[in-house]
Amino acid sequence: NAGVTQTPKFRVLKTGQSMTLLCAQDMNHEYMYWYRQDPGMGLRLIHYSVGEGTTAKGEVPDGYNVSRLKKQNFLLGLESAAPSQTSVYFCASILGTVTQETQYFGPGTRLLVL
Amino acid sequence: QQQVKQSPQSLIVQKGGISIINCAYENTAFDYFPWYQQFPGKGPALLIAIRPDVSEKKEGRFTISFNKSAKQFSLHIMDSQPGDSATYFCAASSYNQGGKLIFGQGTELSVKP
Repeated sequence: NAGVTQTPKFRVLKTGQSMTLLCAQDMNHEYMYWYRQDPGMGLRLIHYSVGEGTTAKGEVPDGYNVSRLKKQNFLLGLESAAPSQTSVYFCASILGTVTQETQYFGPGTRLLVL
Repeated sequence: QQQVKQSPQSLIVQKGGISIINCAYENTAFDYFPWYQQFPGKGPALLIAIRPDVSEKKEGRFTISFNKSAKQFSLHIMDSQPGDSATYFCAASSYNQGGKLIFGQGTELSVKP
């Protein structure tokens, strides 16, 4: 049981380049989330999904797109990276029932946009 | 707007002392209040959580105190140890709003030996 995994662990991009971050979970969780973490600002929700084929915007969705084609995977895309998107990105998942709200986080992806 | 406000931003405590971190929230629809612990280079991990129908929850050296009328909750770490040195985040969520967590800004705790 690997839990929540994220690929890649670290990436350097030039302004304007695109990339996709992959999150995978093997816990059969229904809900998945993408957060970004910046110093002094905690973690902020980018997008989330409450089931396969569904996505919704979080607090800071601009500049990002997501897809949830398979239940176990949640992809975060940056179409045209900007220096303001330099951050650490975390994926999380929960089972999705009213009594099982613990979010399990992945190890993070560090992204540097030059 | 910041729906969950956390203080202090940093905290230094002597070994064996009590660490106290406070959070305040605005949205009365929140029904789940977890605390997460994060070590450098790692993802956050759930430490302890509480629901608004109880005023206190204790797990080992960690206690959450919850004041529904004041919309505040706090984390107490008793007998703080150097291994507790980490960043702590409070958070809040509502099951009916997709379970998404709203995090506080974080508190960097350093426990001195």
